[in-house]
Amino acid sequence: DSGVTQTPKHLITATGQRVTLRCSPRSGDLSVYWYQQSLDQGLQFLIQYYNGEERAKGNILERFSAQQFPDLHSELNLSSLELGDSALYFCASSVAPGGPTGTQYFGPGTRLLVL
Amino acid sequence: SQQGEEDPQALSIQEGENATMNCSYKTSINNLQWYRQNSGRGLVHLILIRSNEREKHSGRLRVTLDTSKKSSSLLITASRAADTASYFCATDPFYQAGTALIFGKGTTLSVSS
Repeated sequence: DSGVTQTPKHLITATGQRVTLRCSPRSGDLSVYWYQQSLDQGLQFLIQYYNGEERAKGNILERFSAQQFPDLHSELNLSSLELGDSALYFCASSVAPGGPTGTQYFGPGTRLLVL
Repeated sequence: SQQGEEDPQALSIQEGENATMNCSYKTSINNLQWYRQNSGRGLVHLILIRSNEREKHSGRLRVTLDTSKKSSSLLITASRAADTASYFCATDPFYQAGTALIFGKGTTLSVSS
């Protein structure tokens, strides 16, 4: 158990819908990262938050957004869903940025299926 | 584009044999990390090797790093059925230190008893 929790574990929805994925980082970790894992694209970095502020953006679509709240939990919002958004979505946390990226601790993931 | 590329894509061995996976990357890095993922589960950190280190051990794992060739290898000795998983290398590129890791597509290891 990494100490990172993600809810829900599974999500089935229809095209055009909007969903929210939730992540709670390990106690004491200030950085949260969101990744998308699909068969064709592999593990892709979406976005990073550090202590409530956006720190880095990766291959995140405009239809996707995220935020980190004062209690450090984070939410990833996916809207106008398309079939191609079906994937595993992981949240990871680490102590802090500043200097090289250290170990990231991954949650169990949310499996999203868009029908 | 992917920073790290693992080789081979898939590897099948018998219990007790050694498994070697390789990773190549493109840009200068601060460190390189290896992660394991059991089917459909979250990634588990195995080992981190810094750019100024050449070799690191952790239990049955041995990682080497050759920054001149931009490559790393992960050796799992005396493999067990429980080692069956996908293994990913991840780099912390120098140009974006402290942000996201860049993952390769992984090597799928199957260990049969």
